[in-house]
Amino acid sequence: NAGVTQTPKFRVLKTGQSMTLLCAQDMNHEYMYWYRQDPGMGLRLIHYSVGEGTTAKGEVPDGYNVSRLKKQNFLLGLESAAPSQTSVYFCASSYLQRNSPLHFGNGTRLTVT
Amino acid sequence: SQQGEEDPQALSIQEGENATMNCSYKTSINNLQWYRQNSGRGLVHLILIRSNEREKHSGRLRVTLDTSKKSSSLLITASRAADTASYFCATDLNSGGSNYKLTFGKGTLLTVNP
Repeated sequence: NAGVTQTPKFRVLKTGQSMTLLCAQDMNHEYMYWYRQDPGMGLRLIHYSVGEGTTAKGEVPDGYNVSRLKKQNFLLGLESAAPSQTSVYFCASSYLQRNSPLHFGNGTRLTVT
Repeated sequence: SQQGEEDPQALSIQEGENATMNCSYKTSINNLQWYRQNSGRGLVHLILIRSNEREKHSGRLRVTLDTSKKSSSLLITASRAADTASYFCATDLNSGGSNYKLTFGKGTLLTVNP
């Protein structure tokens, strides 16, 4: 099992450009999450999904959109990148919504210039 | 505001010593989880302790939970250089309904010197 796979690993964008981060999991998990990690801020939840076709806002959703068209994939989109979106983005999945550990990918390091 | 806060922010010890990290939180929880993150990698789950549990063990790891003090501690015994990593606590808020959110602290950076 590959677990949770994120692509790409690194990306540099110019302000105003768009991109999509892809997360794929092969554990048949219902729940998937996108977090961002910034120095001194810990991890903050951007959006999450409780199943195929569903999405919900997390703590810091502004400037991001997500889609869960297939159970195994969770896409994070930036329509018009801003320097404040420079961060490391982590995708995670879990079997249950509560009392269940999260399985994380290895992150995407995004720089917006 | 951050729900869970780890203490200390950084800890440096010698190989073989024990390492203790603490986590404090503000509101009632369903469970508290500890994760480890090696540099440049994703987080790896270590232990989950439910609100009705007081202590759990996993190998060299011991986690305690004191809901009256809203705090948890992670003890790593007989530390090894390979334990060098950042450690995060995450709290599952007891908010009811389906508004699920696992909230992470800022982490403790543990350095184990050979």
